[in-house]
Amino acid sequence: SYELTQPPSVSVSPGQTAMITCSGDSLPQQYAYWYQQKPGQAPVMVIFKDTERPLGIPARISGSSSGTTATLTISEVRADDEADYYCQGADPTTDSVVFGGGTKLTVL
Amino acid sequence: EVLLVESGGGVVRPGGSLTLSCAASGFTFDDFGMSWVRQSPGKGLEWVSGINRLGDKTGYGGSVKGRFSISRDNVQKSLYLQMNNLGADDTAFYYCARQGEGFDQWGQGTLVIVSS
Repeated sequence: SYELTQPPSVSVSPGQTAMITCSGDSLPQQYAYWYQQKPGQAPVMVIFKDTERPLGIPARISGSSSGTTATLTISEVRADDEADYYCQGADPTTDSVVFGGGTKLTVL
Repeated sequence: EVLLVESGGGVVRPGGSLTLSCAASGFTFDDFGMSWVRQSPGKGLEWVSGINRLGDKTGYGGSVKGRFSISRDNVQKSLYLQMNNLGADDTAFYYCARQGEGFDQWGQGTLVIVSS
């Protein structure tokens, strides 16, 4: 079955830049989506269609995609950015939705 | 304001059944496909099932295919998930999510615990 692979954890100091990757064989042909989930809360979409930001998401959160890797970049990281981040795509053979395993962003 | 409110969670015995509901408001319900996404305690997100705007096309994740059934009522602006033959691995928070460009709106979830 199709998989999206994320690093389990990323750590960064306040004010620095965090980059979270998501690898999948079909990402060159399909969009990636990114969700932020804080403890005890529902996920919130922060990036759609590789690079687009929903209303209300700050510009310091951005997305990119190249080849089989999509990347979520958070600039000027703040303590409030500490959360789990999930990428999402689709299985190209079944159209089923697929989530990456999630990355825990720790702000040191 | 877009609101998705799940209900119907609870404790159920292994092999039992449960039906979840999601009441939608604040948007034109039949303009959007909808999905259920679950999260076992301490684990990641897992897509469970999705349904298109009209309700005539559905999809299921591999772990629930044949046991769960998704449906919607566009008049009542509600989404449903009928879950049968539940096992311990089905214990999770179940979220209702709107399919815009990605899952752009989520409910707060309802907890299902499968335990004897």
